[in-house]
Amino acid sequence: AQTVTQSQPEMSVQEAETVTLSCTYDTSESDYYLFWYKQPPSRQMILVIRQEAYKQQNATENRFSVNFQKAAKSFSLKISDSQLGDAAMYFCAYRSESSHLWGSRLTFGEGTQLTVNP
Amino acid sequence: NAGVTQTPKFQVLKTGQSMTLQCAQDMNHNSMYWYRQDPGMGLRLIYYSASEGTTDKGEVPNGYNVSRLNKREFSLRLESAAPSQTSVYFCASSVAPGNEQYFGPGTRLTVT
Repeated sequence: AQTVTQSQPEMSVQEAETVTLSCTYDTSESDYYLFWYKQPPSRQMILVIRQEAYKQQNATENRFSVNFQKAAKSFSLKISDSQLGDAAMYFCAYRSESSHLWGSRLTFGEGTQLTVNP
Repeated sequence: NAGVTQTPKFQVLKTGQSMTLQCAQDMNHNSMYWYRQDPGMGLRLIYYSASEGTTDKGEVPNGYNVSRLNKREFSLRLESAAPSQTSVYFCASSVAPGNEQYFGPGTRLTVT
């Protein structure tokens, strides 16, 4: 079974600075997807960025980028130019490359609470 | 479009009471999911549904039942609530297995 681990329960960053959130995962599969979700106080789960395991290039979405190290099974999220609105709980998630519903379920890490200081 | 909606937003139950959490999506998605979120843990899958009339158990199904009433709606029922079911419940949907999942706003349930 796949597992996802976020070893940083809490992180803080100064506004306009850069912060990196860590995620490691364990799987025996070669094809899969990795995600970062943001959950602000409103509780809404918002997809921040996704990475396909077969792609060597790291995904980027505006100020958000990832460092995907497949061999090390590491998937970190870098937030550049942090803004107050980035404060939230961030979840790393794994999904198998599968057309079956059970195989396509999301497996989440424990979450990292990010605080942005003005 | 409303996306995925959930009712109620908050609920307090006494041990042994029953209730149904409602979820609806207007995106014409085929697959729907129920997750629970507990402090210090990520979301865990309770039940899921590939299509209307089809449901399957997820990782933590004990104490729950579900109904896929039609393509739009997927309800989660607690027949006899227990304090261990105090959690935040999320419904999600996707076009098909393997596609991006869209989440509802969640229901915060407290069982005393």
